[in-house]
Amino acid sequence: GQNIDQPTEMTATEGAIVQINCTYQTSGFNGLFWYQQHAGEAPTFLSYNVLDGLEEKGRFSSFLSRSKGYSYLLLKELQMKDSASYLCAVMDSNYQLIWGAGTKLIIKP
Amino acid sequence: DAMVIQNPRYQVTQFGKPVTLSCSQTLNHNVMYWYQQKSSQAPKLLFHYYDKDFNNEADTPDNFQSRRPNTSFCFLDIRSPGLGDAAMYLCATSRTSGGTDEQFFGPGTRLTVL
Repeated sequence: GQNIDQPTEMTATEGAIVQINCTYQTSGFNGLFWYQQHAGEAPTFLSYNVLDGLEEKGRFSSFLSRSKGYSYLLLKELQMKDSASYLCAVMDSNYQLIWGAGTKLIIKP
Repeated sequence: DAMVIQNPRYQVTQFGKPVTLSCSQTLNHNVMYWYQQKSSQAPKLLFHYYDKDFNNEADTPDNFQSRRPNTSFCFLDIRSPGLGDAAMYLCATSRTSGGTDEQFFGPGTRLTVL
């Protein structure tokens, strides 16, 4: 079966750095997405990785290792508005998007 | 601004009373998706259309149906809502169905079944 694993919840301090991990087992791989979802709102796109390595976009970076079936989202200089769920999703060989359940990130002052 | 619009934002229905959720897009994207998302769970894909080509996920209950009368609009019909169908329903679009094209989501419709 296809599976995406992420921690259910993480807590971090305002101004700090946090790394949210995602491991996946899918039938084929056509890229990995990270989405941010605030409570009661729709997901919004953060990043896409299809090649190994680190993609940096402002305060957010995303890393991929295809051989390990592993990705992480790195958030720097955390702000209170970063409190949200972060969803990892993998596009499989049929171009179907397989979603993780999301990691709820709680930021404390 | 180009966007994905869902109406209504909040829908309350009675157990067993049919309900229709609507989605429109001004992005001119080929692909439209309907997802069901329950609290703290991953979005679950119900249907997607590549243009007018309809794709029903294998485990989508028969109680759910969808229509896409034109490129801009898509509807989700729930024929006989049960208490277990209470959820957030998300409409999304993408330019194509593969590769680097991310999905753009509407604000969602939160369905309550009484």
